[in-house]
Amino acid sequence: EDKVVQSPLSLVVHEGDTVTLNCSYEVTNFRSLLWYKQEKKAPTFLFMLTSSGIEKKSGRLSSILDKKELFSILNITATQTGDSAVYLCAVESIVYGGSQGNLIFGKGTKLSVKP
Amino acid sequence: DADVTQTPRNRITKTGKRIMLECSQTKGHDRMYWYRQDPGLGLRLIYYSFDVKDINKGEISDGYSVSRQAQAKFSLSLESAIPNQTALYFCATSDFPRTSQETQYFGPGTRLLVL
Repeated sequence: EDKVVQSPLSLVVHEGDTVTLNCSYEVTNFRSLLWYKQEKKAPTFLFMLTSSGIEKKSGRLSSILDKKELFSILNITATQTGDSAVYLCAVESIVYGGSQGNLIFGKGTKLSVKP
Repeated sequence: DADVTQTPRNRITKTGKRIMLECSQTKGHDRMYWYRQDPGLGLRLIYYSFDVKDINKGEISDGYSVSRQAQAKFSLSLESAIPNQTALYFCATSDFPRTSQETQYFGPGTRLLVL
């Protein structure tokens, strides 16, 4: 059974701290791993990772994928209160010979950044 | 047979034309989503619907509208297509929160080219 596991489930830090969020997966026919930030009902896209060892960066956020060990991390440096959200990891798998796909979400890490 | 179908699979249109993309599902899921995918980017959410009477904007809803005609059908419209709406469009369904871990099931995609 395909699964995506995120850790920790929740995290409380103070502004200026650096945090690392973890995502491990067991998915057949892996295509990509995606990170999303969810502040309200629906997630907003952060990163898509398809290749091992290539870091993607956007401002204070960065992420990397290890396809051998089947995990990814999301780093946030110099955290701000606006970073408070649930961070979702999702893994895209290919089914039906490539004609369709599934997106399997982890349960998320709830990050709270205190002033 | 595929559980999530999209029509058309490919479409070429001209700037200013109205276009409708259709999505049907036989999975009996309440939640349906429309995403677009551009080269090098992950899936970005356009609109989502948690049931027939609950429709919400995603992160890139400008220039798009949707209609949830029934539990099984969710249509995406481009009222006046523009070239930067050229993309691959995916419909997805989910039975979350009936299941503990969200999995979204994707259709095969519609490739849209706006000239």
